[in-house]
Amino acid sequence: EIVLTQSPATLSLSPGERATLSCKTSQSISRYLAWYQQKPGQAPRLLIYDASNRATGIPARFSGSGSGTDFTLTISSLEPEDFAVYYCQQRQSWPPLTFGGGTRVEIK
Amino acid sequence: QVQLVESGGGVVQPGRSLRLSCAASGFTVSAYALHWVRQPAGKGLEWAAVIWYDGTKGYYADSVKGRFTVSRDTSTNTLSLEMNSLTAEDTAIYYCARSPPTDWYLDLWGRGTLVTVSS
Repeated sequence: EIVLTQSPATLSLSPGERATLSCKTSQSISRYLAWYQQKPGQAPRLLIYDASNRATGIPARFSGSGSGTDFTLTISSLEPEDFAVYYCQQRQSWPPLTFGGGTRVEIK
Repeated sequence: QVQLVESGGGVVQPGRSLRLSCAASGFTVSAYALHWVRQPAGKGLEWAAVIWYDGTKGYYADSVKGRFTVSRDTSTNTLSLEMNSLTAEDTAIYYCARSPPTDWYLDLWGRGTLVTVSS
């Protein structure tokens, strides 16, 4: 089973600042990584797939990068609605699909 | 409207069974792989099961294998999860989600249904 480790656990930032979230995998997954956003009381929403492709309707301030074992989600300028929990997920090796433990982006 | 709507959650005693349903609308379930993902309160996401787009295969997380069974009904466009021998560790919000047939990114999620296993 591929283990995904997200860091930091919590990121405290102000609106307008840049957010950089990390996801590291226990073995190489090429570019088969997705990022999801989850707000309180809501289901997750797909943001990025295949490491760098934005899903339908996702604003351009969200970008993904990386390959192999190291991946990054960047939010170029935080909007108030971006404060949420973010999860990464791999699809290189299944079952099982595996998720990272999440990074909470909170208002500083 | 393209959506997934779960139902069937509730409070169940340890060792008992429960069946969850997920109604799909705006798309046909036979064109997608369909997943169940669960989330204990205040915790992260755990993938539980998937049924292949053609309904021929199901795969399970080790934590539910042998106890949970995923199925689908193309006539009603519905996904189901039969859960047996439930324990407190199964307490969670259960989401159904779809992915393209072979690219397992979850591009549509339901709002979830809460399952509580408690005596």
